Amino acid sequence: GQSLEQPSEVTAVEGAIVQINCTYQTSGFYGLSWYQQHDGGAPTFLSYNALDGLEETGRFSSFLSRSDSYGYLLLQELQMKDSASYFCAVISTGGFKTIFGAGTRLFVKA
Amino acid sequence: SQTIHQWPATLVQPVGSPLSLECTVEGTSNPNLYWYRQAAGRGLQLLFYSVGIGQISSEVPQNLSASRPQDRQFILSSKKLLLSDSGFYLCAWSVKFRNTEAFFGQGTRLTVV
Repeated sequence: GQSLEQPSEVTAVEGAIVQINCTYQTSGFYGLSWYQQHDGGAPTFLSYNALDGLEETGRFSSFLSRSDSYGYLLLQELQMKDSASYFCAVISTGGFKTIFGAGTRLFVKA
Repeated sequence: SQTIHQWPATLVQPVGSPLSLECTVEGTSNPNLYWYRQAAGRGLQLLFYSVGIGQISSEVPQNLSASRPQDRQFILSSKKLLLSDSGFYLCAWSVKFRNTEAFFGQGTRLTVV
C-alpha cells in the first residue's frame, strides 16, 4: 500500500524557522512534492524533490532522503501569511499518480 | 498561460440525486487530469486520474464515476448521492510525463443533505 505520515499541527512564532517532516511508504516512488493550502482555497505547489538533497526556493526549502523514505519542508523567516496547511505528496506509478499526506496545519503566532 | 476552470463553486444536493461536476483546462494539450476529494480538515484523497481521452483510472471504489470526453475536459458524476459524498472536490492537471507539479482548480464544496 501507500501511506504518508506528517504531523497534524505545528505552531511557531513570526520570524522563526519551522520544519515539517514527512515519511512515506509507497511503491514505484518517483518524487516528493510539497503543497500549501489556505483555508477554503486550492492547494498550490511549493517544491519538488526527485533526488536526495536540499532544494531551495526563497524562504522555502525541501529535503529528500530516498534511502530513509523521508523528506521535510523548511520554512524560514515565518510570516503570518504562512499560516496554512502543508501537504507532502508522493508521485508514483510511472509519474502518473500523486498521493497526498493528511497535511500539517501550521499556526504562526505574533 | 494555462488555466483550469471548475464549477460550480458550491453545491447543495439531496440524498439520492445525481451529480455532475465539470472541469476544463485551457492553454495546454494532452494533460494528465485528476479528481481529488478532501474531507474537512483532512488530506486529499485521489479519486480518479486520466492520462488521455476515455482513459480513466479509479483509485477508490465508491459511488462516483469519471469521464473524459475531450482532451481538456474531465467530469465527475454520480447517479445517486450519499451523505458520505459530501466534501470538497478538487480537479487538477499536470503536464504529461512531468507530474512533478499539479495545478488545482478552485474546488467545489458539495453538501449532501
